[in-house]
Amino acid sequence: QITLKESGPTLVKPTQTLTLSCTLSGFSFSTSEVGVGWVRQPPGKAPEWLAIIYWNNDKRYSPSLKSRLTITKGNSADQVVLTVANMDPVDAGTYYCVHSTSATGDGLDVWGQGATVTVSS
Amino acid sequence: QSVLTQPASVSGSPGQSITISCSGSSDDVGGYVFVSWYQQHPGKVPRLLIYDFKSRPSGVSARFSGSKSGNTASLTISGLQPEDEAQYYCSSYTATSTWVFGGGTTVTVL
Repeated sequence: QITLKESGPTLVKPTQTLTLSCTLSGFSFSTSEVGVGWVRQPPGKAPEWLAIIYWNNDKRYSPSLKSRLTITKGNSADQVVLTVANMDPVDAGTYYCVHSTSATGDGLDVWGQGATVTVSS
Repeated sequence: QSVLTQPASVSGSPGQSITISCSGSSDDVGGYVFVSWYQQHPGKVPRLLIYDFKSRPSGVSARFSGSKSGNTASLTISGLQPEDEAQYYCSSYTATSTWVFGGGTTVTVL
């Protein structure tokens, strides 16, 4: 069973950098055609796709946020890290780690429980 | 403002069929088969319902079906049930090799 678990701060100050980690289990990130990404959702609003990193280390970023986002594989094989620079109150919301595979057309077939982030001084 | 346009709300009575549209452009919905649909109940995590605009992951009811014509994708829920009351979001692959979501549709079962 594939599971994803997000971890990171619940509160960051404006202009700070947010660092979120996603711990993966139940699959190998070295498996071809697998991707792990991030989606965020402000309260009461639609999800917003942020970034994805693939098994081959290929990375994609939302064009509107590209300058502020960095996605990497963590120090361990079962971790993916997202950093969001220069946080602003509009960046508050729930940040989800997501799994995708070509087997389901790169649809986001597994979601973590989400990490709620507040941005306030 | 979302790149993909969905109606804000759709409603129907139990047993009826409803259709949710997702309008984009040739740079997203119209250009790729990679259109997904997600269901989200209040306070819950989104769940993948449809991928490749018409395929269902295992475990998803056959009452959910997807289609696509030109720049518009659609999700149809047949035999509407009370538990179908939720938010529904479409998502599409784009010409920049990224993904976008629609603004969401609230489905109400009357």
